[in-house]
Amino acid sequence: SYELTQPPSVSVSPGQTASITCSGDKLGDKYVCWYQQKPGQSPVLVIYQDSQRPSGIPERFSGSNSGNTATLTISGTQAMDEADYYCQAWDSSTWVFGGGTKLTVL
Amino acid sequence: QVTLRESGPALVKPTQTLTLTCTFSGFSLSTSTMSVSWIRQPPGRALEWLALIDWGDHTYYSTSLKTRLTISKDTSKNQVVLTMTNMDPVDTATYYCARIVVGATDLGLGFDYWGQGTLVTVSS
Repeated sequence: SYELTQPPSVSVSPGQTASITCSGDKLGDKYVCWYQQKPGQSPVLVIYQDSQRPSGIPERFSGSNSGNTATLTISGTQAMDEADYYCQAWDSSTWVFGGGTKLTVL
Repeated sequence: QVTLRESGPALVKPTQTLTLTCTFSGFSLSTSTMSVSWIRQPPGRALEWLALIDWGDHTYYSTSLKTRLTISKDTSKNQVVLTMTNMDPVDTATYYCARIVVGATDLGLGFDYWGQGTLVTVSS
């Protein structure tokens, strides 16, 4: 079965740029979505189709996908961005999530 | 306004069958491209996709769990039901239902609306 690999944790200082990677075989040939999940809350879609932001998602969230790696970038990271982030892709009629990355803003 | 709400037992015993219901509003599963999925998350762990049913009644299942899962819909009631057989303590998790717009294949649009989740504990 298809697997998506994320780093368990990423740290960033307020105002700096955070990058969270997601890797998978030929991931660049697939669409990748990203979700933000804060403690005790349901996930929220922050990026779809690799780089598109849903309505209401701040412009500081951006995404890219090429080769075997997709990246979620948060520019000018704010304290409110501290959360778990999950990538997701589709393969062989199944939807797959990455293992999640805990973003710490310190 | 799209909303989804999960309901079902909070506690089930090992070997029992779990039945969860997702009741939604703001869209119809009789509309082309509309689909609903179930996704779970064990405490402190990652999201795991379980199953999906689309507007045409096509169903898709997690490879590792497909022998235990059944997803169905009642379009008139705006409900999607998931059953999972032979429950085990490792199935303890928050179970979410979520909407996704798909075509003949995934369109990359993601799970755009989620329910609040329901915690299911498996214990004797």
